This record gives sequence, structure tokens and C-alpha cells, in this order.
Amino acid sequence: RKEVEQDPGPFNVPEGATVAFNCTYSNSASQSFFWYRQDCRKEPKLLMSVYSSGNEDGRFTAQLNRASQYISLLIRDSKLSDSATYLCVVKGTSGTYKYIFGTGTRLKVLA
Amino acid sequence: DAGITQSPRYKITETGRQVTLMCHQTWSHSYMFWYRQDLGHGLRLIYYSAAADITDKGEVPDGYVVSRSKTENFPLTLESATRSQTSVYFCASRDSMRLAGGEQFFGPGTRLTVL
Repeated sequence: RKEVEQDPGPFNVPEGATVAFNCTYSNSASQSFFWYRQDCRKEPKLLMSVYSSGNEDGRFTAQLNRASQYISLLIRDSKLSDSATYLCVVKGTSGTYKYIFGTGTRLKVLA
Repeated sequence: DAGITQSPRYKITETGRQVTLMCHQTWSHSYMFWYRQDLGHGLRLIYYSAAADITDKGEVPDGYVVSRSKTENFPLTLESATRSQTSVYFCASRDSMRLAGGEQFFGPGTRLTVL
């Protein structure tokens, strides 16, 4: 089993739709969680950190479920510019260098 | 400009040659990382460095060498390139590891092809 697993997609959704991605992780000691966005042939960029209480940034909402060991990303009112690959990233205990990246979920927002 | 840069951006080399990929950051971040990204895999850590003159292996270090004589530079050397090292290489940096969270900032990547 991979340490971080994501549905590779692609998710093809129309503009304005709501779409959700899940990511599961295997190490229950993991402490930090992130969603990164990666455009084609570009570097990953932080979309948002994921906090225990859940957090929202505009149209994006991230949730963490420690009991079931998954994090989610919800995108509301999808825009064409949201088309990208979304990477789930999990970091272990405080002080560790180890960031584990999922393989990414590809989103295509269609006009 | 401030930030993290990588050079070259594209490199084609032949099997058996030595190749060095450069990474430079202007934030004075303590930690720097080298990843490779291949289809079907997430980013995989090759080496990381906690500070100047401190480096350690990641998940896939075989065939690679790193050094960090200055905080801002973290070169990655392929001692004798193999076709399996054809990949996109990303350098990243972040500040102190003492905080539980922490964003990594990535360079633009180097696309390496080994023929």
C-alpha cells in the first residue's frame, strides 16, 4: 500500500461545478497536511495547508479526518483556470524532513 | 530576483556522463531538498540538507551525490548517468523544521534526458 494515495482522475467537470478530491494516508503519526497545485510541466505550488478543524480559502475547502486517515479538497464554482493536477502531501512528526507526495489528481474544467 | 532557481532547465546527456544540476535560493532557508518526478510516482526525495555541510539520503539516493558548502546552493550530481535517471528534477527549500507545518517552495525544475 502506498503511503499517500489519490485517485489519479482525470475529473472532467463543467465550469461552475463543485468537485471534491480525497487522499488517504497510511501513517497515523502524520502531523502536517497540504494540498499543492501543479500545472502541466511546472513546479508544484502550495494551494493550502490542511488544519485539523478544516479550513477554507475562497472557493477551496480542505478537511482532515484523522480517524479515517484522509484529507479532502472541495472546489466550488470551478473555473477553467482550476484545471491542473492537485497533489496531496503528508508530513510526518515535527522535525522530520519526510514529505510524502501523492501521485496527484488531474482536474479538467470544461467550458 | 528573490526565490529559488534551477539550472539548466533542460539537459540532454549520454549514458555514463557526469551531470550536475544546480539549485540556488535567496531566502537563506535552512532546508533544501532534491526530488525527482516520474509518471506513476509522486515526487520522490533524493537527498535533503538541513544546513550547510549537512546532507542526508532520501528515498532514492542511489547514483546521486550532493554537497552544500553554502546555504544558498545545493547542487545535485549524477556521477554516471543512466537512462533510468531520465526525469524531471525539482529542488525545494523551506525554513526551520521545528514548526509542525511548513511550506516547501519549489524551483522551476530541470528536465533531464539520458540517452
